[in-house]
Amino acid sequence: AQSVTQPDIHITVSEGASLELRCNYSYGATPYLFWYVQSPGQGLQLLLKYFSGDTLVQGIKGFEAEFKRSQSSFNLRKPSVHWSDAAEYFCAVGNTDKLIFGTGTRLQVFP
Amino acid sequence: SAVISQKPSRDICQRGTSLTIQCQVDSQVTMMFWYRQQPGQSLTLIATANQGSEATYESGFVIDKFPISRPNLTFSTLTVSNMSPEDSSIYLCSAAGTETYEQYFGPGTRLTVT
Repeated sequence: AQSVTQPDIHITVSEGASLELRCNYSYGATPYLFWYVQSPGQGLQLLLKYFSGDTLVQGIKGFEAEFKRSQSSFNLRKPSVHWSDAAEYFCAVGNTDKLIFGTGTRLQVFP
Repeated sequence: SAVISQKPSRDICQRGTSLTIQCQVDSQVTMMFWYRQQPGQSLTLIATANQGSEATYESGFVIDKFPISRPNLTFSTLTVSNMSPEDSSIYLCSAAGTETYEQYFGPGTRLTVT
């Protein structure tokens, strides 16, 4: 079955600290992988995507993610978190027809 | 990327009534999608809407409850019919082109059914 697991429901970090959000997937073929961010009361904004090629992908707002096929993972990282990064983060896997979303990780940032 | 707008942004409706949500894209796109996000939950795909064909519904969603129109390559509507409090959710539309697989999302419609 196709699925996405985000093991961390809620993460709290201090401003300036590094961040890693975990994402594991189960998918029959080589997946397309995405990270989205949702600020309160907003829609989803695409942070970055992986289709093929270099397994380390750069996104907007200083985020990056690394695809590890052997671990079926696509973890999101940021070296220094800003207070404005507080939001809900969703990992998604899919193809041209459908995206499957994880349950999300809520990031809280303390000053 | 595509810019997507939705109307209304929010609404409070009585049970038994219907609400139609509009989704407008600023460029022509092949595929549009409708999702439901229940409070504190992730996104669940309701259906995929391609211009010129019937919408494809996911398991658990039926056309009688969620009729969808896709009259052209920039516009779609989702109707939530015969609403009950369980339909209270955020409804989001998204769009994707044929050459890129990422989906771009509208701001969502927050629906409350009383």
